[in-house]
Amino acid sequence: TQLLEQSPQFLSIQEGENLTVYCNSSSVFSSLQWYRQEPGEGPVLLVTVVTGGEVKKLKRLTFQFGDARKDSSLHITAAQPGDTGLYLCAGEIQGAQKLVFGQGTRLTINP
Amino acid sequence: KAGVTQTPRYLIKTRGQQVTLSCSPISGHRSVSWYQQTPGQGLQFLFEYFSETQRNKGNFPGRFSGRQFSNSRSEMNVSTLELGDSALYLCASSFLGGLAGFGPGNEQFFGPGTRLTVL
Repeated sequence: TQLLEQSPQFLSIQEGENLTVYCNSSSVFSSLQWYRQEPGEGPVLLVTVVTGGEVKKLKRLTFQFGDARKDSSLHITAAQPGDTGLYLCAGEIQGAQKLVFGQGTRLTINP
Repeated sequence: KAGVTQTPRYLIKTRGQQVTLSCSPISGHRSVSWYQQTPGQGLQFLFEYFSETQRNKGNFPGRFSGRQFSNSRSEMNVSTLELGDSALYLCASSFLGGLAGFGPGNEQFFGPGTRLTVL
């Protein structure tokens, strides 16, 4: 059983379209991170959210943490081919002192 | 500031052999965590070291072990390799590790990984 469920697992869209990736759990998280990983490389940290309802923006990327701190979303506006990659959410369950990762969303942006 | 480095980047071993992977954290980071990434299971936590002590451990068999040196560099060892051990092994460093929470200022930063293939 995955503690963090990401959806969709695969997404292929055209350049210029918008998209949203979801990360859901029944557990409450102290913090939640989003990473992007390219083939053959390690995940690169995009953002950390800690407060329920928090919204953070990184250029065309908008990250939201759910009010109950059990879910998060990543919205990309006007996707570009450079956004292609594996997007991973990772949550720190309260008291666990470690991160659990979702399975990832493999995003492909076609020119 | 240099990032997390891992050596070697690629390894090919045969079943039954053992392997040692190395990780150098970001300067000033005292915590190193190791993860195994496979297509089927995703990223799975192996263990965390802080100040030369293992502070947390995931659900992996005893064939997987690690250690940390006084300069915070860490090594991971896998003995009696099995085909299923083929994976990308990632290490991540942070200032204070999981005990302090992975919030802003103490996030984990990953190295490029070591791709292990077991034949």
